Amino acid sequence: QQPVQSPQAVILREGEDAVINCSSSKALYSVHWYRQKHGEAPVFLMILLKGGEQKGHDKISASFNEKKQQSSLYLTASQLSYSGTYFCGTETSGSRLTFGEGTQLTVNP
Amino acid sequence: DGGITQSPKYLFRKEGQNVTLSCEQNLNHDAMYWYRQDPGQGLRLIYYSQIVNDFQKGDIAEGYSVSREKKESFPLTVTSAQKNPTAFYLCASSTWPLQGVGMNEQFFGPGTRLTVL
Repeated sequence: QQPVQSPQAVILREGEDAVINCSSSKALYSVHWYRQKHGEAPVFLMILLKGGEQKGHDKISASFNEKKQQSSLYLTASQLSYSGTYFCGTETSGSRLTFGEGTQLTVNP
Repeated sequence: DGGITQSPKYLFRKEGQNVTLSCEQNLNHDAMYWYRQDPGQGLRLIYYSQIVNDFQKGDIAEGYSVSREKKESFPLTVTSAQKNPTAFYLCASSTWPLQGVGMNEQFFGPGTRLTVL
């Protein structure tokens, strides 16, 4: 089942903060976050593993609540380069990911 | 340089024709994946492979076929049975996760934009 992302879109001014949420109806082994710029391939940001381990970007933080089956991505002091569509991918079983529909982030000067 | 290549970048085909999309990686990754992306949508899994000569259906496998004869290569064929094949196709690969640890990051190729006329 596809995870639900919120909000669908957000517009920021440079320097502002944003939170993107990802919610699953199934128990999760891990949550992956990717950013995609228009017409390009998704780029890896972070993995959050069951048990608390995190792997990824040192300027972006995220949380993973295993009990609530939710993850949040925190973008602080946003830069113009943060613009793009953010996807969460959830691993529930079978060593494959199911991606959400994405959150479109626009950072304006 | 290690990476994933997909070719061609743009592909035009007539309705009713089969077409094969290429995906090659030199990262020595065991796992490879094919995703389809429609405008404004997320990535939907078509097929994935964990090892040579083995692959599993994803969520939208109907109308597609794959092969995995070499570790480096995972071509996708879009058959005439696929009702609406126009989309952006992304190939990805990753190392196989250690048991109980969870999946590793996926590296994506640049994608092939297929348009069926």
